[in-house]
Amino acid sequence: QVQLQQSGPGLVKPSQTLSLTCAISGDFVSTTSAAWNWIRQSPSRGLEWLGRTYYRSRWYFDYAVSVKSRMTISPDTSKSQISLHLTSVTPEDSAVYYCARAYYDSWSAFDYWGQGTRVTVSS
Amino acid sequence: DIQMTQSPSSLSASVGDRITITCRTSHNIRTYLNWYQHKPGEAPKLLIYAASSLQSGVPLRFSGSGSGTDFTLTISSLQPEDFATYYCQQSYNAPHTFGQGTKLEIK
Repeated sequence: QVQLQQSGPGLVKPSQTLSLTCAISGDFVSTTSAAWNWIRQSPSRGLEWLGRTYYRSRWYFDYAVSVKSRMTISPDTSKSQISLHLTSVTPEDSAVYYCARAYYDSWSAFDYWGQGTRVTVSS
Repeated sequence: DIQMTQSPSSLSASVGDRITITCRTSHNIRTYLNWYQHKPGEAPKLLIYAASSLQSGVPLRFSGSGSGTDFTLTISSLQPEDFATYYCQQSYNAPHTFGQGTKLEIK
C-alpha cells in the first residue's frame, strides 16, 4: 500500500522560502512507473498543479509557469522522499499543499495523495 | 497549456438523482482525462482515470465517458456521501491542468 506523509511548517513569512517534505512508503522515488507531483488548493484558484519529478535513467523536472522561477522539487532516494522549495512567497501562496503520485498504468492520474499541509503566508 | 472548462460550477440535487458534469478541453487529449472527488479537510480522491476506467474501490454509480475534447462524469443515483466538489484533470501533457470544479450540494 502506497502512503505519502507530508511534513513542514504551516506558517511562513512573506518573502521567505516555503519548504515541505513528502515521505514515500510502498513505492520508490526512483520508480520508472510513476512521477511525483506537488499540487495546491486554494479557494481562489481551486486545484493547481505545481510541478513534478520522475526518473527515466536520469531525473526530470517540470514546473507550472506560475511558479517556475521560484520552485524547486528535490528527490532524495536515500530517505525515500521528495521536497518542495518555493522562494519569495507572498500571501497568494497561501493554500493547502499536496504531494501526489501519478502512476503511468493509470494514465498518469493522481492515485495516491498526501494528507495535505495548510500553509499560511503572513507576517 | 491545455485549458479545461468544467460545467456547471455548482449543482443542487437530491439523494437518488442522476447528475452529469461536463469537462471540455482546448486540445485533443484522447482519453487522458481523470475525475476527482474532493471533500473539505480531505485529500482529493481519484474516481475515474483514462476517461472511463473506474478506480479500484469506487462505487459503480460513478461512470465517465468521452474522448478528444468532450468528457462527462455521471453519478447514477446520488448518495449522501457524494455531496462534494468534483474536478476534471488532464494528464495528456504538462502542465497537468485541472478544471475549475463543480460543487455538488444537497437540494
